[in-house]
Formats: sequence, C-alpha cells, structure tokens
Amino acid sequence: QSALTQPASVSGSPGQSITISCTGTSSDIGNFNLVSWFQQHPGKAPKLLIYEVTKRPSGVSDRFSGSKSGNTASLTISGLQAEDEADYSCCSYAGSNTLIFGGGTTLTVL
Amino acid sequence: EVQLVESGGGLVQPGGSLRLSCVASGFTFSIYYLHWVRQVPGKGLLWVSRIRTDGSITSYADSVKGRFTISRDNAKNTLYLQMNSLRAEDTAVYYCARETYDSGWYVDYWGQGTLVSVSS
Repeated sequence: QSALTQPASVSGSPGQSITISCTGTSSDIGNFNLVSWFQQHPGKAPKLLIYEVTKRPSGVSDRFSGSKSGNTASLTISGLQAEDEADYSCCSYAGSNTLIFGGGTTLTVL
Repeated sequence: EVQLVESGGGLVQPGGSLRLSCVASGFTFSIYYLHWVRQVPGKGLLWVSRIRTDGSITSYADSVKGRFTISRDNAKNTLYLQMNSLRAEDTAVYYCARETYDSGWYVDYWGQGTLVSVSS
C-alpha cells in the first residue's frame, strides 16, 4: 500500500498560518475518522498533535488544528512560532489492524 | 511519565537476524496494544507491526510479513521484534509506540528509536 501523500515542504513567517495536506484513498482517510498528526524534531521521537481528525491531546497548543474532507486530511498551524519548525507526518487507520503514514512534510519558519 | 526505551539495533549482514526490545514504564503495560514503526533516515514513517494486549493477535506490513515477528512479555513490560532474513531496505530507525483508545484507536507515545543497519 502506498504512503499517504503530503507536500515535501511548506514554509511561513512567524505569526502566519499554514496548512499541510494529507491525501489518501477511500480505503484509509476516506473510510475512517482515525487520522492523526505527529510533529518530529530532528533526532527526536514523533509527538502526537492531533488524533481522530480533530482532537488535541492534553498539553498540545490550540494553535494546532485538524480537519478532513473526503480522502484528504489537513493540519493547520496558526500563529507560527520558531519552535514549530519540524517535520510533520499524518497517519490513518487503513483497515485490517494496519496503519499508513504520510511521507512527511518539513515546515520552515522563515 | 510514559517511557518507551528501545534497544538491540546495530549492524547486521544481509540475510542475518536481529531482535529488538522495547522496555516500557510509567503505565500499565499489559492493557495496551503496541506497535513497531520504522523510519529510514530522512524519509517518512512506515508502520511495521501491531500486537494485542495478550499477544494473541498480531498484524504486519506486507513488506515484513513472514520475516518479522512481534511479541511481548507482560511480566517484563517488554515488547520485542524478531527480524529474520534482513535486507538492505530494512535499514531504518525502529520505534516502538503505544496505542490508546478514545472513540477509535490511535498511537500516542513513542520511544526514541534504535537504528538497524543492514549491510555487508
């Protein structure tokens, strides 16, 4: 099964908002409301930002928000800050007790 | 505090075997499903395997099915990944991760990873 499709890179200035898309198929994103987003700084473990499309774990800033339309999920980061510079990956349940991840997006804060 | 600590990575020749371990602390290990996920340095994450709380049900990515075996020892709070017939394309950082449940299941905590290099 191919990975979910994410843009390789996005960028924005401090204070701006950016959106990262994650496109799958009707077998994964389109069929389940089980999309997660992870943030990963270089050499570090992934950190959960969003689960079940729109939910934020305790302790995650409300500047991070998620949404979904059809086979595409999106992560929006508002009020960009320097520490948001990292890699972001989406993940979806893909049926049969399996997961599928996106290829990752590198966010640069200009 | 939830902690997952992987070990067992290293350099192995193609066709060789390796067993990874992941020791957990800070939560009741036996009631959580667990996963292995790998990442080629500089590339995206790739799901590898999942195991039920009691170890009775497992699932694998097609790329590792028949070569890798996930298992757990709830008495030792430890997750394992036995990797046989290793290939160059298995080279990656391997993470263990915990699954939790709300209205559906999702991965929440990850370990720091252990690097596996397959090369002659």
